[in-house]
Amino acid sequence: KAGVTQTPRYLIKTRGQQVTLSCSPISGHRSVSWYQQTPGQGLQFLFEYFSETQRNKGNFPGRFSGRQFSNSRSEMNVSTLELGDSALYLCASSLDPVVRASNTGELFFGEGSRLTVL
Amino acid sequence: GENVEQHPSTLSVQEGDSAVIKCTYSDSASNYFPWYKQELGKRPQLIIDIRSNVGEKKDQRIAVTLNKTAKHFSLHITETQPEDSAVYFCAAPGGQNFVFGPGTRLSVLP
Repeated sequence: KAGVTQTPRYLIKTRGQQVTLSCSPISGHRSVSWYQQTPGQGLQFLFEYFSETQRNKGNFPGRFSGRQFSNSRSEMNVSTLELGDSALYLCASSLDPVVRASNTGELFFGEGSRLTVL
Repeated sequence: GENVEQHPSTLSVQEGDSAVIKCTYSDSASNYFPWYKQELGKRPQLIIDIRSNVGEKKDQRIAVTLNKTAKHFSLHITETQPEDSAVYFCAAPGGQNFVFGPGTRLSVLP
């Protein structure tokens, strides 16, 4: 069974540009979450999609957006890039969405997309 | 919402010694607590989890304990080996997403 696939793995952009990252979940997984990972900040939740609907969004500005397609593949977009957006962006898939306080589903992470903003 | 704290942020142990990482959470309704391990340059992977109906779970050299009253859970690694060197994250389900602790960088010294 193929794992979670993220593309591109590495990319370099300049301030003001925009970027689109892609995530293909494990076959059969319907939930896709996105996290930003930076040194010292750990894993910061960006948003979660289930059945093409954004269920929850973290505390990030509107420049960060995403979507999910009917085949569960997801994309996230960051517009007007800033230096502080440099990070590893991780996608994680699970069978079902996180349910408050009681979810017992494992998150399967991709290798991540490392974004550098110059 | 859920808040997860994790200590220590870095931990160095001699090979063969034990390591303990502790996390506290704020939402008393949370009842599932996973631990993820992220080796350098690799993806985070689940290593063990615990549900609130048990106080301890063990899998070979790793174990997790849960104290619901005090709202904290801990990861225990015994007989540490060099391949245990990694960053470990605890998590708790807050709202509609998992909230992760800031991570503990474990170094196992030969």
